[in-house]
Amino acid sequence: DTAVSQTPKYLVTQMGNDKSIKCEQNLGHDTMYWYKQDSKKFLKIMFSYNNKELIINETVPNRFSPKSPDKAHLNLHINSLELGDSAVYFCASSQGTSGGGDIQYFGAGTRLSVL
Amino acid sequence: AQKVTQAQTEISVVEKEDVTLDCVYETRDTTYYLFWYKQPPSGELVFLIRRNSFDEQNEISGRYSWNFQKSTSSFNFTITASQVVDSAVYFCALSEDRGGADGLTFGKGTHLIIQP
Repeated sequence: DTAVSQTPKYLVTQMGNDKSIKCEQNLGHDTMYWYKQDSKKFLKIMFSYNNKELIINETVPNRFSPKSPDKAHLNLHINSLELGDSAVYFCASSQGTSGGGDIQYFGAGTRLSVL
Repeated sequence: AQKVTQAQTEISVVEKEDVTLDCVYETRDTTYYLFWYKQPPSGELVFLIRRNSFDEQNEISGRYSWNFQKSTSSFNFTITASQVVDSAVYFCALSEDRGGADGLTFGKGTHLIIQP
């Protein structure tokens, strides 16, 4: 059983389209995150949710909107895709109970290619 | 603001050599946490270790060891008797104690290549 699962694994789309990436965790964690890894492998936090409440919203364009229907799911919707959105997007989760030191467990990543 | 620096972009060694990956961090907080993650060629991110700022004891896990020194703000990672399977990108990361849901601040990663 995969602890943090993301779908799809690969996403190829045209500029201007809208797409969603889904994330689910079965670890019973309270906190979930989205990270972006660019072509140079640099990883940066985008959002974090704790019990369905948005906690962190780094400087991310409004075209990116996270949605958490329940604490086991955190989806990422992207409107009007641009070439610069091409990256690998990682979902992660953590217990959310011990302050900033929780171990974050990552999904396998979704490789988004915008043509 | 917090920052993590991994000055070594790429390291290449021959199998069975020991190799140390450097990590230097910056933070104004007295309570913080340091992590190492491994990203093998398959792309997933694998947790290796977590350390809190109050625990400077070195840690050993099999061929892996970590040296945490607050005096130099460093949290270095050593692989002893390296193996081809250790080839990966290794990331050092930091989080501060903000009450939960804190994102990790990652270094830029060190690409480790172990040649047979």
